[in-house]
Amino acid sequence: DADVTQTPRNRITKTGKRIMLECSQTKGHDRMYWYRQDPGLGLRLIYYSFDVKDINKGEISDGYSVSRQAQAKFSLSLESAIPNQTALYFCATSDYWGTDTQYFGPGTRLTVL
Amino acid sequence: KNEVEQSPQNLTAQEGEFITINCSYSVGISALHWLQQHPGGGIVSLFMLSSGKKKHGRLIATINIQEKHSSLHITASHPRDSAVYICAVRSYRGSTLGRLYFGRGTQLTVWP
Repeated sequence: DADVTQTPRNRITKTGKRIMLECSQTKGHDRMYWYRQDPGLGLRLIYYSFDVKDINKGEISDGYSVSRQAQAKFSLSLESAIPNQTALYFCATSDYWGTDTQYFGPGTRLTVL
Repeated sequence: KNEVEQSPQNLTAQEGEFITINCSYSVGISALHWLQQHPGGGIVSLFMLSSGKKKHGRLIATINIQEKHSSLHITASHPRDSAVYICAVRSYRGSTLGRLYFGRGTQLTVWP
């Protein structure tokens, strides 16, 4: 089984709808991240969490919110989806003690019509 | 200006060729990562470097901290190496880990 899982893998929705993307990990890492990837652009950080009680905004947090329900779960919500939020979304985890290597989920392809 | 610049953006090679992808950065770093993104979208970490050189199979990564430059080399390239290669740097902020900056990626296509 994959160490970092994301659901759903694909989602098509309409403008104005509320959407939740979920991420679960079995790596036992404290640090979790949400990124979005757009064609021709690098990965951009939306939110990150260093433990259950610590949540921080990334470089493009407007229009998004997150919830860290447990060490293993980190959800990303789009309160009112808009077309320019159409992108590939990745969840990732890392361990602080060590290399801080990022372990990515398989990605969620979100299309907002 | 992006803190991490990769070159080239696109690279096409014939099977067996030696490949080099370059990464330059403008911030002080604690570590540099090379990632591989497969055509299906999945991203895996290839290397984490803070100095010198690392080798894994046909992949070699080097870093020059003074010049703020890293290279990823692929020897004897194969069509299965076709992917997007992403350079990312972890900025240094005193005793704590700073944020991660990503390059835009290099699309490598290797033809048989």
